[in-house]
Amino acid sequence: GEDVEQSLFLSVREGDSSVINCTYTDSSSTYLYWYKQEPGAGLQLLTYIFSNMDMKQDQRLTVLLNKKDKHLSLRIADTQTGDSAIYFCAEGSGGGADGLTFGKGTHLIIQP
Amino acid sequence: DSGVTQTPKHLITATGQRVTLRCSPRSGDLSVYWYQQSLDQGLQFLIQYYNGEERAKGNILERFSAQQFPDLHSELNLSSLELGDSALYFCASSVRTGGGTDTQYFGPGTRLTVL
Repeated sequence: GEDVEQSLFLSVREGDSSVINCTYTDSSSTYLYWYKQEPGAGLQLLTYIFSNMDMKQDQRLTVLLNKKDKHLSLRIADTQTGDSAIYFCAEGSGGGADGLTFGKGTHLIIQP
Repeated sequence: DSGVTQTPKHLITATGQRVTLRCSPRSGDLSVYWYQQSLDQGLQFLIQYYNGEERAKGNILERFSAQQFPDLHSELNLSSLELGDSALYFCASSVRTGGGTDTQYFGPGTRLTVL
């Protein structure tokens, strides 16, 4: 079945770059998403990438996709204390089948 | 604020009981999705409705059911509750049938505690 894997924790120093990794198994995944969840809050969509793209950049966020290895990463440049949250990778098949499959989430911890 | 609202924010009930969670999608969105977030299972897709009709089913138990009303709000009904049903239940909405760039916007969730 479909599976999305992420490491549970990542600790970085404030000002450094954070790289959160994700692997997925469903080769029919068309779109891959990154969501952010802050304590007590819902999920906020950060960015998504179409499976025929290698990279997408949006301000401090860079998404890299290696479709051959089914590996996705989210790089956050100049990490700030406000970036402290749980980051979820999710995949969707696109075109209608419509529930997303999420990883367990990576807790990003910022050290001062 | 995503524009998706969920009520109640917290719900505490006993085993064997039945509860109803409510979701109002963003204005103009036709699809509503329900997800369950628990410590052991993570975030799991339960069910999707599009314009009043059931469209996709995920890992939804038979004790759970949902519906979407003509005004597009949705309710998730959980019955014969067990301790293991304690979780955060999220509703999400999207404009069309979902997938691709039709991104899902999540509500703040309802935290259900079954004692």
